[in-house]
Amino acid sequence: DSGVTQTPKHLITATGQRVTLRCSPRSGDLSVYWYQQSLDQGLQFLIQYYNGEERAKGNILERFSAQQFPDLHSELNLSSLELGDSALYFCARRRGNSNQPQHFGDGTRLSIL
Amino acid sequence: GQQVMQIPQYQHVQEGEDFTTYCNSSTTLSNIQWYKQRPGGHPVFLIQLVKSGEVKKQKRLTFQFGEAKKNSSLHITATQTTDVGTYFCAGPGSGAGSYQLTFGKGTKLSVIP
Repeated sequence: DSGVTQTPKHLITATGQRVTLRCSPRSGDLSVYWYQQSLDQGLQFLIQYYNGEERAKGNILERFSAQQFPDLHSELNLSSLELGDSALYFCARRRGNSNQPQHFGDGTRLSIL
Repeated sequence: GQQVMQIPQYQHVQEGEDFTTYCNSSTTLSNIQWYKQRPGGHPVFLIQLVKSGEVKKQKRLTFQFGEAKKNSSLHITATQTTDVGTYFCAGPGSGAGSYQLTFGKGTKLSVIP
């Protein structure tokens, strides 16, 4: 158990649509990271939130946005979806400072038709 | 920005052979972390190295951190089919980027029984 719950596990939608991915870290973990992993690709960092505030931004498209709520769960919103957005989206939690490891959820597999 | 490179991208070995993956950062790292992702799974934290020249062992896995803290390696002795997966190294950025990890593209290990 990684202590991170991601929903849904699978999502199939069409181009031009908008979806919301959800991440619930274990209680007490203030940091949440979002990553995109395309087929046979590495992990592309998208964005990090810490205690409700955006802390770091990676290669996140303008069509994508995220937020972290007071209960520390986070949502990643993807809009105007394109075929190339098909990927695995992982959320990871981290407790403590930046030298601590990250613990990943099972991911959401997004398929754009 | 910071880049983390891993080689090789793919490695096929016969069961019982040794395996090594190498990781190089464009910048000096405060620490380096290694993760393993099984096929269809999520990245799982393996280990963190902090000190220059540090060597850590986990059963058949040996991790090294270079003297200059810019490179690292993971060596697996006598591979088993359970070692199959993709191995990622990751390092934190510096300054404002220290909150995020930059992952290498990973080395995908296949073990032929």
